[in-house]
Amino acid sequence: DQQVKQNSPSLSVQEGRISILNCDYTNSMFDYFLWYKKYPAEGPTFLISISSIKDKNEDGRFTVFLNKSAKHLSLHIVPSQPGDSAVYFCAAIVTGGGNKLTFGTGTQLKVEL
Amino acid sequence: EPEVTQTPSHQVTQMGQEVILRCVPISNHLYFYWYRQILGQKVEFLVSFYNNEISEKSEIFDDQFSVERPDGSNFTLKIRSTKLEDSAMYFCASKTSGRPWGQETQYFGPGTRLLVL
Repeated sequence: DQQVKQNSPSLSVQEGRISILNCDYTNSMFDYFLWYKKYPAEGPTFLISISSIKDKNEDGRFTVFLNKSAKHLSLHIVPSQPGDSAVYFCAAIVTGGGNKLTFGTGTQLKVEL
Repeated sequence: EPEVTQTPSHQVTQMGQEVILRCVPISNHLYFYWYRQILGQKVEFLVSFYNNEISEKSEIFDDQFSVERPDGSNFTLKIRSTKLEDSAMYFCASKTSGRPWGQETQYFGPGTRLLVL
């Protein structure tokens, strides 16, 4: 039951360049989306979120874009820094109930010097 | 900055034993969650808890699992009779109220690594 998919298991970019992480979903009831960053042996750390009533949300170096018609969201990191190297998960919620997060499988980002 | 804490960080147990994983959510949060991540797999929802009762649970959360908020600060996950396949990282998360928009963010603890032998 893969309602949230991250088709790229890994991504490698050079320091200072843009990182683009992609996420697709199938459940049209999802109305809130989040990106989390995770280091090994740590819990997911919240990065940025977007409601389905918006198509873009920006916070510093991080921007999330939502294309509802394509059921696609992406996270842009500009400029990428070595400390950004981690696994990035997108997650989706159907708000109004228990609000459980449905996670994607994650993308391992490596930012090289 | 307030954060979710979890104890223990690691737990090793024998198959069939009971384990209790503990969490202290962020103090003004009202919704509490348990998730787990089996090695190499994605993070999976187990259960959500609000107003002293379970609001939603997954298929994974069978009769062997239970949750409790025994006092105003702790939130626990109990596995009554552990199985080998319960070996995973268990994450607790919490969030504030559901409204207005923008209050949906769940904040995660560092996790408890459970190993069932």
